[in-house]
Amino acid sequence: AQSVAQPEDQVNVAEGNPLTVKCTYSVSGNPYLFWYVQYPNRGLQFLLKYITGDNLVKGSYGFEAEFNKSQTSFHLKKPSALVSDSALYFCAVGSGGGADGLTFGKGTHLIIQP
Amino acid sequence: KAGVTQTPRYLIKTRGQQVTLSCSPISGHRSVSWYQQTPGQGLQFLFEYFSETQRNKGNFPGRFSGRQFSNSRSEMNVSTLELGDSALYLCASRTSGREYEQYFGPGTRLTVT
Repeated sequence: AQSVAQPEDQVNVAEGNPLTVKCTYSVSGNPYLFWYVQYPNRGLQFLLKYITGDNLVKGSYGFEAEFNKSQTSFHLKKPSALVSDSALYFCAVGSGGGADGLTFGKGTHLIIQP
Repeated sequence: KAGVTQTPRYLIKTRGQQVTLSCSPISGHRSVSWYQQTPGQGLQFLFEYFSETQRNKGNFPGRFSGRQFSNSRSEMNVSTLELGDSALYLCASRTSGREYEQYFGPGTRLTVT
């Protein structure tokens, strides 16, 4: 079975400061890792993914994530936060050809204060 | 290219009734997945369809079912609705070439009273 943990329900960051949203995972085999963002009353929007290759993955809106195999982590980062980054962020993991569907974390509310 | 569309966007049903939700994937996408989102349980995988066949199913009771048509459009049905079925139901599609990059629709908000 695969699982994802997002240990923080909420992260508060001042505008212009760097932000990190944490994610750890558990999966059999090679992990396929994703970050999605959800704005109020909207579906999920894809931000970035790690399948293979470079451990530092760059995605949409200036976000990036670092895959750390030894720590089974895939933290989301951004060097300088914007108020418009305030949203609900989900980490997800899949494995083995996609047959098992994605398993999502509980989500982290990111609040960027002006 | 048009995104994933879901209809209806909002629905109110009574306990014991049944409901059918519809999803039209992005043109060219053959895989459609369904998820249930609730405040308590978060996002949970319901099932995935590919070329009209169910490829995988999450841990939901048999009251939840789905199907996919030859044009890749998908429907999910919930029979004998319970209060706990109140949720946002999200549909996602993806191509066969980019296996995991799923594109989500806006969801259908189902309220069971």
